[in-house]
Amino acid sequence: DIQMTQSPSTLSASVGDRVTITCRASQSISSWLAWYQQKPGKAPKLLIYKASSLESGVPSRFSGSGSGTEFTLTISSLQPDDFATYYCQQYNSYSKVTFGPGTKVDIK
Amino acid sequence: EVQLVESGGVVVQPGGSLRLSCAASGFTFDDYTMHWVRQAPGKGLEWVSLISWDGGSTYYADSVKGRFTISRDNSKNSLYLQMNSLRTEDTALYYCAKDMGGTVAGTTYYFDYWGQGTLVTVSS
Repeated sequence: DIQMTQSPSTLSASVGDRVTITCRASQSISSWLAWYQQKPGKAPKLLIYKASSLESGVPSRFSGSGSGTEFTLTISSLQPDDFATYYCQQYNSYSKVTFGPGTKVDIK
Repeated sequence: EVQLVESGGVVVQPGGSLRLSCAASGFTFDDYTMHWVRQAPGKGLEWVSLISWDGGSTYYADSVKGRFTISRDNSKNSLYLQMNSLRTEDTALYYCAKDMGGTVAGTTYYFDYWGQGTLVTVSS
């Protein structure tokens, strides 16, 4: 099975900061990667799909990049609403879906 | 507006059974693959199962294969998860999630809408 890792596990940042979260796959997943944002007590929200496509309605300060085994989620200017936990998620063949362990972005 | 509303979560003893339901509205339900995703308390997300738009294809995570069965009733816009031989490690909030693709794009394995979840607690 493909394993997903995320770094860092926790990130402390200030409003206005540029934030980058990295997700790595144990083997190539091409561009089959999504990013989700989850706030406490809420369901996850899709931000990015196919590694770099912005979901409709998601602010343009969110962007995704990468392919193969290394991917990044970037928030260009962190806003108060962005403090949350972020998960990457991959799909490979044989219909196996796995999520990364999450990165919590909190207030510095 | 897309809405997914899960129900059926309760406290159940190890070895017991439970059926979760998800009522969908706001989109053409029988055009889309649907998924179940779970989250243990304080933990990350784990994909559980999917079912194709017509119910003809189903897939499961290894952790639930042989114990859980996903199904759907397109006439009722409803998704189900039959959970048997429950274990303490199945304790989680169970989310119903809509696949982003449709009958044209096919299953994308991206989840663009989620319900609020229903809590299953397996405990003696």
